[in-house]
Order: sequence, then C-alpha cells, then structure tokens
Amino acid sequence: AQSVTQLGSHVSVSEGALVLLRCNYSSSVPPYLFWYVQYPNQGLQLLLKYTSAATLVKGINGFEAEFKKSETSFHLTKPSAHMSDAAEYFCAVSEGQAGTALIFGKGTTLSVSS
Amino acid sequence: NAGVTQTPKFQVLKTGQSMTLQCAQDMNHNSMYWYRQDPGMGLRLIYYSASEGTTDKGEVPNGYNVSRLNKREFSLRLESAAPSQTSVYFCASSGGQGSIDIQYFGAGTRLSVL
Repeated sequence: AQSVTQLGSHVSVSEGALVLLRCNYSSSVPPYLFWYVQYPNQGLQLLLKYTSAATLVKGINGFEAEFKKSETSFHLTKPSAHMSDAAEYFCAVSEGQAGTALIFGKGTTLSVSS
Repeated sequence: NAGVTQTPKFQVLKTGQSMTLQCAQDMNHNSMYWYRQDPGMGLRLIYYSASEGTTDKGEVPNGYNVSRLNKREFSLRLESAAPSQTSVYFCASSGGQGSIDIQYFGAGTRLSVL
C-alpha cells in the first residue's frame, strides 16, 4: 500500500531564507508524486509533479523538488521565501493511472516572517 | 475558466439532518473524487468515480453516498449528519488522458454539524 509521510507539521522561516519541506513515500510500484499548495480558505493547487522524466522537477512560484529513489524522498525547496508563500503544503502519491485516487500526507504549514 | 465548482461553500446542519453537496466540472474529465480534510489528517478519500456510471468507496465512505449524475456532475449525500462529519469537503476531477492523471480541486465546502 502506498503512503506518504511529511516530516514537520509546521515550518517557520524568515523572508529570504531557504524553504525545505520534507516528504517521504512508500510505494510498491514506481510512484507518481505531487506537491499541492493550499492558501487559506481555498482549494488545492498543483505546485509540481514527478513523472519519472527527470529527478529534479521545477514547479510554479519558484519551487522545485528532487526525487531520490534511494531515500524514497521528494522534498520541496525554494531558495528564498516570500511572505506570499505562507500556506499549507501537501505531498501526495499515486500510481498515476486514470481514476486512481491520491494518497496525501498530513500537510505542512509554512509560516514566513518578515 | 470555472474548472471544478462546488456548492454550497458553507453549511451548518443539525445532527440527523440530510444534505447533498454538489460538484460540477467543465473540463470534460472522466474521473471525479470526493475528499474530506480534517486538521492534522491531510485529505482522505471518501468516494470516487473513475468514469461515468461507476463509483467506488475510498478510505472513509461510512455515512456517505454518492451519485455520478452525468459526466460533469458528482454529488455527495449525507443521509443523517453526525458531528463527526464536520469537515471541509473537496471535490476533484481528473482527465485520465495523457501520461499523468492530474487532479484539479474545487474550493471546498465547509460543513459544521451541531
């Protein structure tokens, strides 16, 4: 069975600092991995996806994630945090086939201070 | 671009009341999903419909029923609401075409059961 673990339910950084949100997965098949962002009182928006084409994936808003099979990790990073990055971030895994549900981590809330 | 539209946005029910949450997508997607989001739990799948005419249970189906009315619409019904069903409900859809099945989310329905 697939599962996702997000380490740290809350991460706080200063504006301009590096953002690192951790995600580890378990999957019995080659996984498809996603990061979604949820701003307050809104739905989920896709940040980026891993499709096995490249291990370093670039997403929107300056975020990127690196797939490391040996570590079963898909950590999300951004070199310089902005106040507008404050939100909840979810890592998710699926088998990628049509009609397959996503398995979500419990989420990490990112706070950015000035 | 409407995408995935959920109605209502907010609802307060008394224990034992029934209601239907509506979801419609205008992206001609084959698959649709209902998730619930609870603090510290991430999103959990309630039911999904891989294609028009089919529905399947997810991780937490108890107390819910669904109807895939047509390709566009997928409703979630609470027959006898309980306080444990207080949550934020998200509908999602995915196209099932191309190499990766990406899910797109609505803005959510915030439900309180008193």
